[in-house]
This record gives sequence, structure tokens and C-alpha cells, in this order.
Amino acid sequence: DSGVTQTPKHLITATGQRVTLRCSPRSGDLSVYWYQQSLDQGLQFLIQYYNGEERAKGNILERFSAQQFPDLHSELNLSSLELGDSALYFCASGGRGYGYTFGSGTRLTVV
Amino acid sequence: AQKVTQAQTEISVVEKEDVTLDCVYETRDTTYYLFWYKQPPSGELVFLIRRNSFDEQNEISGRYSWNFQKSTSSFNFTITASQVVDSAVYFCALRTLGKTSYDKVIFGPGTSLSVIP
Repeated sequence: DSGVTQTPKHLITATGQRVTLRCSPRSGDLSVYWYQQSLDQGLQFLIQYYNGEERAKGNILERFSAQQFPDLHSELNLSSLELGDSALYFCASGGRGYGYTFGSGTRLTVV
Repeated sequence: AQKVTQAQTEISVVEKEDVTLDCVYETRDTTYYLFWYKQPPSGELVFLIRRNSFDEQNEISGRYSWNFQKSTSSFNFTITASQVVDSAVYFCALRTLGKTSYDKVIFGPGTSLSVIP
């Protein structure tokens, strides 16, 4: 157990729908990072939150949004889903300068 | 610009052979961290090692060893006496630290290692 909890582990939904992925960081970590891993794009950085504030943005689509709550858990919201959004979505937490600890991921399948 | 290159897309070795996974990185920052992660078929990402840019000492951990050379911007990973359980995708990653907390980790495309019994 890495200490980073992601739910759900699997999600199957239809095109056009909206889903929410949840992440609880490791105890003591203030930063949460979201990554998307698809077959053709590899591991792509989406967004970082630090203690409730957005700190860095990567290749995140406008249809996607995220937030970090006061208890430091984070949610990634994906809307108007397309087939191409099918991927593994990882959350990671970590301290400055240290390696990330990844959750086990959420496998999203859009049908 | 920051970039991580793993030129080897797929490698196959026979069990007990040694194998080296290459990683070349690009950054203009003087302070940075390099990482290796393992992704077994089950899908999770497992942290293997972190090195900072000021520490070029090579490291050995059991059958794993890492060779960090700033002169060639490389951070290669060697598995000695490979085992079937080493079959996985291995990612090299780069993290730079700006003057704020605005940072992110850039991953290479990964090298898929297959160890054949």
C-alpha cells in the first residue's frame, strides 16, 4: 500500500457523460498531482495542487477540471467524455524534491 | 525545455542476463531530480530511485544499479541477473525545482522489458 488512495479502480461510462475521480494523498503530503496514461501518449502531467491551490497545469483539457479540498483530498472531474479519454488516471502525492508516490490508478473506459 | 528520452521502446532478454535501460534528459536547470519508476503488468507505478543533480555517485540496490553522468545527461539503469518478475515498463523521470513550488515531473516514454524464462 503506497498510502495514496484512488477511487474507483475501474470506471466504465458512455460518451458525453461526466465522471469524478477521487484521490487521497499520503499522510503529510500537501501536493497532489494528476497524470493521464494512454497508450499513445504515455504519462502526461495534467495538474498539480498544493495545499488547496492550483500550482501547475499541464496538458489538461478544458473539459477536465480538478480541485483540492481542505482535507487535502483531490477530485478530478472529466466531462463530455470522448472515446479518446479512455486511459489510466493516476494521482500522486509528494513533498518538494522527493519522488512522487503514486496511487494504483483509475482505469477509465469510455464506450 | 525539459525532456526525457528513453530510446529503447522494447527490450527482451533471457532470464539471468544483465540488461541496461537508457535514459537521457534535457534541462537548463542546475537543480533537478531524476527518478526511475517501474510499472508491472498490474498497472501500478512503483518508485525505484531518486537522485539529485549534485550527487553523481552511482548506486546499487541488490540486483539494481544506476549510473548517473551529468556530462552526458544520462541516468541509466542496470538490472543484473534479470528475473521474470522484472518484466515491466520502466519509466525515467525528471523533476526540476523552480524558485516556487511550481514543479512537475516529466516522464520519458518508457521501456518495456520482457524477461524470458
